[in-house]
Amino acid sequence: EDKVVQSPLSLVVHEGDTVTLNCSYEVTNFRSLLWYKQEKKAPTFLFMLTSSGIEKKSGRLSSILDKKELFSILNITATQTGDSAVYLCAVEKGGSEKLVFGKGTKLTVNP
Amino acid sequence: NAGVTQTPKFQVLKTGQSMTLQCAQDMNHEYMSWYRQDPGMGLRLIHYSVGAGITDQGEVPNGYNVSRSTTEDFPLRLLSAAPSQTSVYFCASRGRSGYQPQHFGDGTRLSIL
Repeated sequence: EDKVVQSPLSLVVHEGDTVTLNCSYEVTNFRSLLWYKQEKKAPTFLFMLTSSGIEKKSGRLSSILDKKELFSILNITATQTGDSAVYLCAVEKGGSEKLVFGKGTKLTVNP
Repeated sequence: NAGVTQTPKFQVLKTGQSMTLQCAQDMNHEYMSWYRQDPGMGLRLIHYSVGAGITDQGEVPNGYNVSRSTTEDFPLRLLSAAPSQTSVYFCASRGRSGYQPQHFGDGTRLSIL
């Protein structure tokens, strides 16, 4: 059975802290791993990691993929209150359009 | 840019009623999907489509029907609503070529009494 596990499930930090969110997976026919940020409505796309793109960075956010150990991390440096959200990790299966999601990490950044 | 548009945003139904959740995208995306999101469960795939006239089941398809008569539209039908179908429903789409992320609509919050 395909499985994506995120940890921690929730995290409370102070503005300026650095956080690391974890995502491990057991999915047959791996194609890509995606990170999304979800505030009140739709999940919004952050990063896609594939065999040919195992490290991505955008501003204070960065992510890496370890295909050998089957995990990914999302780092956020110098956190701001606007980073408060649920962060979702999903794995796309090759040969289909199926995304398998983890349960998410709820990040709260206090001023 | 409209992107992925879902209607309605909120709906309350009685057990046994039927309804259709609408999803439309204006990006000419071949792939479209429906997910439901429940507390503590993450997003789970209901049905998906890789193009007009082609649909397939996801992880939790029971109680739902879909069809894809055009590239733009992918409606989700609840045949006989049950309280267990109370959830937030998200539609997503992506293009076919290369590695592209799925883009999500704003969701429909559905309550079944």
